[in-house]
Amino acid sequence: ETGVTQTPRHLVMGMTNKKSLKCEQHLGHNAMYWYKQSAKKPLELMFVYNFKEQTENNSVPSRFSPECPNSSHLFLHLHTLQPEDSALYLCASSQEVTGTYEQYFGPGTRLTVT
Amino acid sequence: GENVEQHPSTLSVQEGDSAVIKCTYSDSASNYFPWYKQELGKRPQLIIDIRSNVGEKKDQRIAVTLNKTAKHFSLHITETQPEDSAVYFCAAAGGYQKVTFGTGTKLQVIP
Repeated sequence: ETGVTQTPRHLVMGMTNKKSLKCEQHLGHNAMYWYKQSAKKPLELMFVYNFKEQTENNSVPSRFSPECPNSSHLFLHLHTLQPEDSALYLCASSQEVTGTYEQYFGPGTRLTVT
Repeated sequence: GENVEQHPSTLSVQEGDSAVIKCTYSDSASNYFPWYKQELGKRPQLIIDIRSNVGEKKDQRIAVTLNKTAKHFSLHITETQPEDSAVYFCAAAGGYQKVTFGTGTKLQVIP
């Protein structure tokens, strides 16, 4: 698959587990994002990385820990989550082109916290 | 920070009719306004966008209008078809690191 890929596509975890979500972009973009999509807040920005540096943390609880080792890979480390964290987690990437910033989304990871 | 409001939250139209979705934003520094379409079970994808130096943009059956003075922009879909059924998100951006999305509109086109 080209573009933006995410693994795993589905994840079920208990509240005491530790897991990680992975995102990879094959587009040569320099910015990567994590979004949370739920019924309450359809597209909620969590984190932004620009050239591997975190530039935005949208008041996300510390039980979510992002990591961006390079411009092509982005991780979201999860620990001691709550049932309300169950949602679709979308990764996206972008590159500014003449004032437009199209977000290319991955397919998402459907997370269920039990 | 930026706040984007989107209305209506749900919209049903007969096939062939037009659909209009409206958004307002709060930050006058925002200069890029994209619209994304998310079909059921799929990822959001850009369908059209407009920059602040343009008042209207068209792409076949889709058009977007922008009123910077009033801080609102709209998506217009003409001659709707069943495959237009999806959730549509508007967004406002002042830079590619700060894209704020609206709450989405679920459009249903009735055959």
